[in-house]
Amino acid sequence: QVQLVESGGGAVQPGRSLRLSCAASGFTFNSLGMHWVRQAPGKGLEWVAVVWSRGDHQEYADSLKGRFTISRDNSKNTLYLQMNSLRADDTAVYYCVKEFLAMPGTYFDYWGQGILVTVSS
Amino acid sequence: QSVLTQPPSVSGAPGQRVTISCTGSSSNVGARYDVHWYQQVPGTVPKLLIYGNSNRPSGVPDRFTGSKSGTSASLAITGLQSEDEADYYCQSYDSSLRAYVFGTGTRVTVL
Repeated sequence: QVQLVESGGGAVQPGRSLRLSCAASGFTFNSLGMHWVRQAPGKGLEWVAVVWSRGDHQEYADSLKGRFTISRDNSKNTLYLQMNSLRADDTAVYYCVKEFLAMPGTYFDYWGQGILVTVSS
Repeated sequence: QSVLTQPPSVSGAPGQRVTISCTGSSSNVGARYDVHWYQQVPGTVPKLLIYGNSNRPSGVPDRFTGSKSGTSASLAITGLQSEDEADYYCQSYDSSLRAYVFGTGTRVTVL
């Protein structure tokens, strides 16, 4: 069965960095794009970024470009999100999400349990 | 700001029918990209409800139906049940932004 397990979250001060990881299993990791989606407390879902199956292409939400970097290690079946210059409004639950098909406009069929990132002084 | 607009809330009595709209533009819903729907019961992980505009994953009751026309999509829930109380989000892809986009979300309340 598909499993997505996030780690690396926690509390961090504004301006600092944090790297999230997502360990994937139960499917052919290197054949699909992987995404991060976040949800601020009491707010809606916000797509963060996608990295294509081979890791050679990334797309980001406009508001995050330049601060966040998505990457993957297919040899370890692991997805990453490097978050720099963190701000209070980055406080959210971050979900690791698997896409169903490797094509734009696909849907998200499996979600991790989510990990909380709190940015506060 | 989300580029897909949904009503903040809808409500209905048990057994009634409610619909949730998802309004986009020519670069997302109105383009060739499908609309998908997710259900999120508060405190839980979002769950895929409808994919490819109108398809239900295995295990999703046929009370949930999706449709798409022009730059809008809709989710209908018939025979509303108490367990349908949740937040619902539409999702698509925007070719201008080159980004996946979610709707603003709709809270469904069963009266």
